[in-house]
Amino acid sequence: RKEVEQDPGPFNVPEGATVAFNCTYSNSASQSFFWYRQDCRKEPKLLMSVYSSGNEDGRFTAQLNRASQYISLLIRDSKLSDSATYLCVVPTGGGNKLTFGTGTQLKVEL
Amino acid sequence: GAVVSQHPSRVICKSGTSVKIECRSLDFQATTMFWYRQFPKQSLMLMATSNEGSKATYEQGVEKDKFLINHASLTLSTLTVTSAHPEDSSFYICSARRDRGHNSPLHFGNGTRLTVT
Repeated sequence: RKEVEQDPGPFNVPEGATVAFNCTYSNSASQSFFWYRQDCRKEPKLLMSVYSSGNEDGRFTAQLNRASQYISLLIRDSKLSDSATYLCVVPTGGGNKLTFGTGTQLKVEL
Repeated sequence: GAVVSQHPSRVICKSGTSVKIECRSLDFQATTMFWYRQFPKQSLMLMATSNEGSKATYEQGVEKDKFLINHASLTLSTLTVTSAHPEDSSFYICSARRDRGHNSPLHFGNGTRLTVT
């Protein structure tokens, strides 16, 4: 299994839809996880941190399943401005490094 | 507001020249900074870990003599791409943790888009 694996998409959804992305990881010792958002030709920006079973921030919910070694990101009531690539990030190398998934592209359409 | 500042944001240079990229932590001290590279339609790949006052740690496959890293102060790390070639054209991004601990997220600079002609 790769250190971090994501479905590249793209996910094309209508405005207002609910969409979920999954990310699997191989290091069972990882304690914290992150979702970043990256717009085209821009740097990644932190969206959410996940330390325990999950985290919720407005329309965004992240969940962690340690037994199955995956984290998910749920976006409710999608907006056009949510269109971006969502990167799953997992600590590796003893925790000091962060390994990025290839990202899942989301396109929200009218 | 921005936590990490990177400069320049865009560089176009001729093959064979060297390019220096600066990464600064704003309002905090960063003993460790990370340099990533991203090619089109690919994910971020860690190039090296920059350590203040000591040598950088390079990832496998990254040439330390080509990508020179200097972390001379607690708020500044520089990456110099020496004798750049067209295949070095990429998006270079630095990052740092504002808070201590492996559980804290990375904050990224705005990136440097390097084009070597």
